[in-house]
Amino acid sequence: ETGVTQTPRHLVMGMTNKKSLKCEQHLGHNAMYWYKQSAKKPLELMFVYNFKEQTENNSVPSRFSPECPNSSHLFLHLHTLQPEDSALYLCASSQVERETNVDEQFFGPGTRLTVL
Amino acid sequence: GQNIDQPTEMTATEGAIVQINCTYQTSGFNGLFWYQQHAGEAPTFLSYNVLDGLEEKGRFSSFLSRSKGYSYLLLKELQMKDSASYLCAVSDSNYQLIWGAGTKLIIKP
Repeated sequence: ETGVTQTPRHLVMGMTNKKSLKCEQHLGHNAMYWYKQSAKKPLELMFVYNFKEQTENNSVPSRFSPECPNSSHLFLHLHTLQPEDSALYLCASSQVERETNVDEQFFGPGTRLTVL
Repeated sequence: GQNIDQPTEMTATEGAIVQINCTYQTSGFNGLFWYQQHAGEAPTFLSYNVLDGLEEKGRFSSFLSRSKGYSYLLLKELQMKDSASYLCAVSDSNYQLIWGAGTKLIIKP
């Protein structure tokens, strides 16, 4: 049990669907992250929220829309996705001290997304 | 650009020792992490190095040479449960983690 949960664990959707991924952390951390993990590729950082404010958006297409209503919850809203968006989407959290963060990130189990 | 290199796959025998290398080129350096990821599961933290030298933690050790942009993860007394992917990540000047693609370690009896 890592203290970070994600739902759903698996999701199959068509290109015209709208769905949302949910992440919840029970560790009292103040930063949360969305990553995309494709086979044999490095983890790709998508979004970072520090103290509920988005501080990073690594040129992610607008069909991915994050939402962070509080420091414990993070959502990733999906719409009109493409087949190449099929991947494992990982959520992580950490405790950020001011501007620095060399603390470990705690990951959720991920959502395996398949876009048909 | 920023780059992390590690072998794609390695095979080792149960009970043996294996060393997984990681080389990096990043804009700044604020530490290097190793994570373990079993198939279908979340990555879990193994080690963190920010100073040169060897950090030992049970059967696992991690080494860092900042001048060479090099690290390795050493796994001793290998067990079947050590079969997993091992991810190297560097914290850059902005304290963002730059990730390698991971090394898939296969343990054979």
